[in-house]
Amino acid sequence: DIQMTQSPSTLSASVGDRVTITCRASQSIKSWLAWYQQKPGKAPNLLIYKASSLQSGVPSRFSGSGSGAEFTLTISSLQPDDFATYYCQQYSSNPLTFGGGTKVEIK
Amino acid sequence: EVQLVESGGGLVQPGGSLRLSCIASGFTFTNYWVHWVRQTPGKGLVWVSRINIDGSSTVYADSVRGRFTISRDNAQNALYLQMNSLRVEDTAVYYCTRGPPDYSSFDSWGQGTLVTVSS
Repeated sequence: DIQMTQSPSTLSASVGDRVTITCRASQSIKSWLAWYQQKPGKAPNLLIYKASSLQSGVPSRFSGSGSGAEFTLTISSLQPDDFATYYCQQYSSNPLTFGGGTKVEIK
Repeated sequence: EVQLVESGGGLVQPGGSLRLSCIASGFTFTNYWVHWVRQTPGKGLVWVSRINIDGSSTVYADSVRGRFTISRDNAQNALYLQMNSLRVEDTAVYYCTRGPPDYSSFDSWGQGTLVTVSS
């Protein structure tokens, strides 16, 4: 199984900050990586697919980069609505696996 | 509007069975593979199973293989998860999700249904 490791597990930031979350795969997954945002009591919401493609309707302050085994999600200017937990997911091979999550908290 | 609506969750004793359903609407169900993903309360996301368009191919996580069965009824736009021999560690919110054929991300999710396995 491909292990997905996210860092940090918790991040404290202020509105307007630039935020970067890292996701590392235990082996190369090419660009087969997605990022999701999840708020308490809600289902995850797809933000980025194929490592850097922005899902329709997602604000442009979200961006993704990377390939192979190291990926980043960047929020260029953190907004109040962005305080949530973020997960990466690989879809290079079965079983599909998720990272452990990064909770973005208000500083 | 794309909708996936799960039902069938509840409280069950260890060793018991439960059948989850997911009804899809607002899109062409037969254009998508469909998956179950679960989330333990307060913890992360774990993919459980997926089924291809015509139901001829299914894949399971090791933790549920042999106990869970995924199926779909394309005439009813429905996805199912039959869960047998349930364990305490199966306690989670179960989400149905969709993705294009082949390995994929999940662009729509249901609201989830809670399964609690406890004596």
